[in-house]
Amino acid sequence: GENVEQHPSTLSVQEGDSAVIKCTYSDSASNYFPWYKQELGKRPQLIIDIRSNVGEKKDQRIAVTLNKTAKHFSLHITETQPEDSAVYFCAASKGNTDKLIFGTGTRLQVFP
Amino acid sequence: DVKVTQSSRYLVKRTGEKVFLECVQDMDHENMFWYRQDPGLGLRLIYFSYDVKMKEKGDIPEGYSVSREKKERFSLILESASTNQTSMYLCASRVRQGAHEQFFGPGTRLTVL
Repeated sequence: GENVEQHPSTLSVQEGDSAVIKCTYSDSASNYFPWYKQELGKRPQLIIDIRSNVGEKKDQRIAVTLNKTAKHFSLHITETQPEDSAVYFCAASKGNTDKLIFGTGTRLQVFP
Repeated sequence: DVKVTQSSRYLVKRTGEKVFLECVQDMDHENMFWYRQDPGLGLRLIYFSYDVKMKEKGDIPEGYSVSREKKERFSLILESASTNQTSMYLCASRVRQGAHEQFFGPGTRLTVL
């Protein structure tokens, strides 16, 4: 079945710097890749997603890139702010099962 | 605004007890999911349901069962709780298959002593 690996497990950056979180997936049939953000003590929320027919998607300070050949996708956060501090989860799914397989999460800390 | 609620934020049970975790969504979503969240392991799918009376095993169904008698409610049942089921349990709902975005509840932190 599908397996999603996520790195790094923790990431510390200075406010204003960029942060990059990377995920790889195993099933070449996967075609949907969302990113969820979970602030401390709160529920995960979808922040951005990308489908396999697109290589890059951007929404203000966050962007996601997808490399189908290498089977990896990345979350990029520019001009980080303290409120970006959270755990970020990547996930992958494919059309026939439609289940999300999550990565193990990255704890991002943004220091003022 | 989608609202997914779970019956308890914190729950403490003893080994061998039968445990019920309830999840309710108020947006007429067809699909509902139960995950457990453990440090370093991310979110793992236990069971899901595409519609009323339907259920499908996820990736870690052993020791759990589910019930979906009404569209808005999805229950997770631990038939005989064990200490290795101590975890954070998250419920989620989705409009329908193919809609993709899942809306999560606040979670239930279950401790089994």
